[in-house]
Amino acid sequence: DAKTTQPPSMDCAEGRAANLPCNHSTISGNEYVYWYRQIHSQGPQYIIHGLKNNETNEMASLIITEDRKSSTLILPHATLRDTAVYYCIVRVRNYGGATNKLIFGTGTLLAVQP
Amino acid sequence: NAGVMQNPRHLVRRRGQEARLRCSPMKGHSHVYWYRQLPEEGLKFMVYLQKENIIDESGMPKERFSAEFPKEGPSILRIQQVVRGDSAAYFCASSPRTSGRAFDTQYFGPGTRLTVL
Repeated sequence: DAKTTQPPSMDCAEGRAANLPCNHSTISGNEYVYWYRQIHSQGPQYIIHGLKNNETNEMASLIITEDRKSSTLILPHATLRDTAVYYCIVRVRNYGGATNKLIFGTGTLLAVQP
Repeated sequence: NAGVMQNPRHLVRRRGQEARLRCSPMKGHSHVYWYRQLPEEGLKFMVYLQKENIIDESGMPKERFSAEFPKEGPSILRIQQVVRGDSAAYFCASSPRTSGRAFDTQYFGPGTRLTVL
């Protein structure tokens, strides 16, 4: 799986959009971008994933650049409860092989400020 | 819909004892994964199981650790003769049965915090 690079920490004001960048310059054509977050001491929570098109769900939006070498997770209206470590992970789509493991990096600690 | 369930949530063992951690996947999920998070460190993959089969155990320590996912009942992560270095949070995740077009997004449980005295 391709490696990712994320800033170690970011601040965001409550109510504003939080934009979390991720660099994955060595991503290959069959690798997806996944985002998870881990609120202190809890289990990781799935947020969103995408291949090359922008994606949106009830939690966030995922913007992937045209060359797919980087992406941005957007939380449109951050709240204090969004304070967490956010992980960007790239992985091959599974077709039943032994490639299901998630490789977590160090992530970005997002601190939402009141 | 119930999420991934893990028990116990907290487990205290003395050195040399055995620890058994249980994971019940989400309804309809037949794939289970175990991850470990040591204090102040990131999550590390340990093992991936389907019903009655270990698919990938590349992250499992070679000794004292074992995992199973029987046909009936929860997945069990077993640690024999625990040592202080085993103190960590152990997370289980599950995903649906995989088909050619299905995604295998993993959903995590709340974790079991193991403390070895």
